[in-house]
Amino acid sequence: AQSVTQPDIHITVSEGASLELRCNYSYGATPYLFWYVQSPGQGLQLLLKYFSGDTLVQGIKGFEAEFKRSQSSFNLRKPSVHWSDAAEYFCAVAASGGSYIPTFGRGTSLIVHP
Amino acid sequence: DTGVSQNPRHKITKRGQNVTFRCDPISEHNRLYWYRQTLGQGPEFLTYFQNEAQLEKSRLLSDRFSAERPKGSFSTLEIQRTEQGDSAMYLCASSQGQVEAFFGQGTRLTVV
Repeated sequence: AQSVTQPDIHITVSEGASLELRCNYSYGATPYLFWYVQSPGQGLQLLLKYFSGDTLVQGIKGFEAEFKRSQSSFNLRKPSVHWSDAAEYFCAVAASGGSYIPTFGRGTSLIVHP
Repeated sequence: DTGVSQNPRHKITKRGQNVTFRCDPISEHNRLYWYRQTLGQGPEFLTYFQNEAQLEKSRLLSDRFSAERPKGSFSTLEIQRTEQGDSAMYLCASSQGQVEAFFGQGTRLTVV
């Protein structure tokens, strides 16, 4: 069965600093990978996705993520964080083919200091 | 395309009462998912539909939970005899095939 690990429960950065949120997945074949962002009391918004092809994917709001098969990772990055980026970030994996049910990590809470 | 819509946004109910939530997916999306999210956790899969067929249910979905998607359009999630442990955010998502899922704003359930 597929699973996702987000090892950092909280990350604190200063506004303008760079950001990297870690995500490791467990799945035997090539997965579909996603990052979502959630503001308090809201639903999840898709930031970016990886299905195949170029392992560096660009998303909305200046985010990017890199798929590294050898490390089973899909880390999210942003070169310069804005205060409005403070939110909960979730990594998700889905098995291509089969029942295809997106499975989520427990999330990383991003705190941005002015 | 108005996105995924969930109603109500908030529901407070007394323990033992039944509640029903509604989800309207993005039109023409054939897959519809229900997830539950508790504080500090990621969304946990409950069940999903492809068109009107309910294809998979999580072990989290006890006998008190039932979901329907008549005619493959909107879906309802009913919880019977609610318990305090049912308090959570219930999220609905939809997709057109095996691609990214789009989420609604969720229904926050509080059982008192």
